[in-house]
Amino acid sequence: GAGVSQTPSNKVTEKGKYVELRCDPISGHTALYWYRQSLGQGPEFLIYFQGTGAADDSGLPNDRFFAVRPEGSVSTLKIQRTERGDSAVYLCASSLKGGETQYFGPGTRLLVL
Amino acid sequence: TQLLEQSPQFLSIQEGENLTVYCNSSSVFSSLQWYRQEPGEGPVLLVTVVTGGEVKKLKRLTFQFGDARKDSSLHITAAQPGDTGLYLCAGAGNRDDKIIFGKGTRLHILP
Repeated sequence: GAGVSQTPSNKVTEKGKYVELRCDPISGHTALYWYRQSLGQGPEFLIYFQGTGAADDSGLPNDRFFAVRPEGSVSTLKIQRTERGDSAVYLCASSLKGGETQYFGPGTRLLVL
Repeated sequence: TQLLEQSPQFLSIQEGENLTVYCNSSSVFSSLQWYRQEPGEGPVLLVTVVTGGEVKKLKRLTFQFGDARKDSSLHITAAQPGDTGLYLCAGAGNRDDKIIFGKGTRLHILP
């Protein structure tokens, strides 16, 4: 079956703009994770969903970042008033359930000018 | 805060040589995972080690989890150009949500 997909693959925006990043997890996976990977760094945890609810959002850097998963499948990461420091690769992963092997998507490369 | 330190950060060696990369922490993890990431792609899981002292082999790759479950190593025998990539270690705590990644070791195998 299909793996985790993320759209867009690349996004260029201007400082102050709003962006939405989408993640389509593997069908049937109840757990979904968002990570951010800056250049030269490993992925950094942002938020974890179990079903429709955010089980752990302790990694979100500030209130400009928000994520939803309204039907327990597709998730959208929303960033308001983007800043240049938000430039990074945003990775999504899903697993059958929490604690199981996570399968990563290819990421969305966000560049804030 | 749990941190994972990986060393070396960069490694460039000739095809056919052996190498070891390390992942160390002051924290105990319930499990530790090794991923490989290629440019433009997400990390791909190579192995999960769970038991202190555990050794797992995947073809030419040997993974070891420290007895105290605070550190791990990845040894590659007879490296090949196809082994080139970013190797990430990641630790899971007792909770079933987030995993903590190290910064990675960027490996380049010269033909």
